[in-house]
Amino acid sequence: DADVTQTPRNRITKTGKRIMLECSQTKGHDRMYWYRQDPGLGLRLIYYSFDVKDINKGEISDGYSVSRQAQAKFSLSLESAIPNQTALYFCATSERGNTGELFFGEGSRLTVL
Amino acid sequence: QQQVKQSPQSLIVQKGGIPIINCAYENTAFDYFPWYQQFPGKGPALLIAIRPDVSEKKEGRFTISFNKSAKQFSLHIMDSQPGDSATYFCAASMKSGANNLFFGTGTRLTVIP
Repeated sequence: DADVTQTPRNRITKTGKRIMLECSQTKGHDRMYWYRQDPGLGLRLIYYSFDVKDINKGEISDGYSVSRQAQAKFSLSLESAIPNQTALYFCATSERGNTGELFFGEGSRLTVL
Repeated sequence: QQQVKQSPQSLIVQKGGIPIINCAYENTAFDYFPWYQQFPGKGPALLIAIRPDVSEKKEGRFTISFNKSAKQFSLHIMDSQPGDSATYFCAASMKSGANNLFFGTGTRLTVIP
């Protein structure tokens, strides 16, 4: 089983719909992240969380919200999806102590029509 | 504004060739420079990383060359193999922190048998 699991892996939705992407991890890491990948733009940080009570905005947080339900669970929500949020989304984890190494899930491909 | 500039966007080499991927940065506060490798349908995974106190680091067939004065670093893949075909991302962070990791735009490498 994957250490970092994302659901759903693929989702097609319509403009204006609310979408939630979920992430769970078995690595025991404190820190969790949500990234967005777009062709030609690389990976951009949306939100990150150092523990259950700590949530921080990343580079491109507008239009997104997150919830850290437990140490092992971190979900990303799009309250009202729009077409330019069509992208590949990745959840990642890292250990406390700034090791610099991120452990990524396999991604959730979201298409907003 | 892209914190880390990566080139080329795509690269095709013959098996046994030495592909070189280049990255440049401006922020002199960056002190940790990892490279991530991503296969289709998978999340990125840490490949190799370097800190600015050394000019070169080798791990197997993968070498990072680092030029602090030019604020550039590059990835070389010796004796490239078809299995090396993937997308490669350079990145940089301050205080070796994964929470403030800035990624390049990625290079899609294809190694032809």
